[in-house]
Amino acid sequence: DSGVTQTPKHLITATGQRVTLRCSPRSGDLSVYWYQQSLDQGLQFLIQYYNGEERAKGNILERFSAQQFPDLHSELNLSSLELGDSALYFCASSLLAGSTYNEQFFGPGTRLTVL
Amino acid sequence: GIQVEQSPPDLILQEGANSTLRCNFSDSVNNLQWFHQNPWGQLINLFYIPSGTKQNGRLSATTVATERYSLLYISSSQTTDSGVYFCAVEGSGGSNYKLTFGKGTLLTVNP
Repeated sequence: DSGVTQTPKHLITATGQRVTLRCSPRSGDLSVYWYQQSLDQGLQFLIQYYNGEERAKGNILERFSAQQFPDLHSELNLSSLELGDSALYFCASSLLAGSTYNEQFFGPGTRLTVL
Repeated sequence: GIQVEQSPPDLILQEGANSTLRCNFSDSVNNLQWFHQNPWGQLINLFYIPSGTKQNGRLSATTVATERYSLLYISSSQTTDSGVYFCAVEGSGGSNYKLTFGKGTLLTVNP
């Protein structure tokens, strides 16, 4: 158990819908990252937050947004869902950003299926 | 951005065999991690190893940062070692602390 929790584990929804994925980082970690794993694209970085502020953006679609709350949990919002959004979404956390030691620990993932 | 290549893409072993997985990266790195993704999809941290050598039971890893590669050794493999092994790196340039993943090595250990 990495100490990172994600809910829900599975999500099945229809095209055009909106969903919210939730992540709680390990105790004491200030950085949260979101990654997407799909069959065709592999594991890709989406976005990073550090202590409530957005730090870096990767290949995140405009239909997707995220935030990190004062208690450091994070939510990833996916809207106007398309079939191609079906994937495993991981949250990871690390202690800091900008440190030479930045080991990331991954949650169990949320498997999203868009029908 | 930084490129990560893993080899071999697939590996089939008999239980008890040893194996070496390789990760090449295209630029200097601050962070290199090895993960095991089990058949249930969980990503399990194996090593945080931007340089040097580490060992954990039957697994060990070596990163030669100056030559831009890392190796993961699995000895006396067991069926529970099956799954996909990923190498992921964080480049040392800029302020982006994301991990860039390789495509992985799919390991199958047969009894």
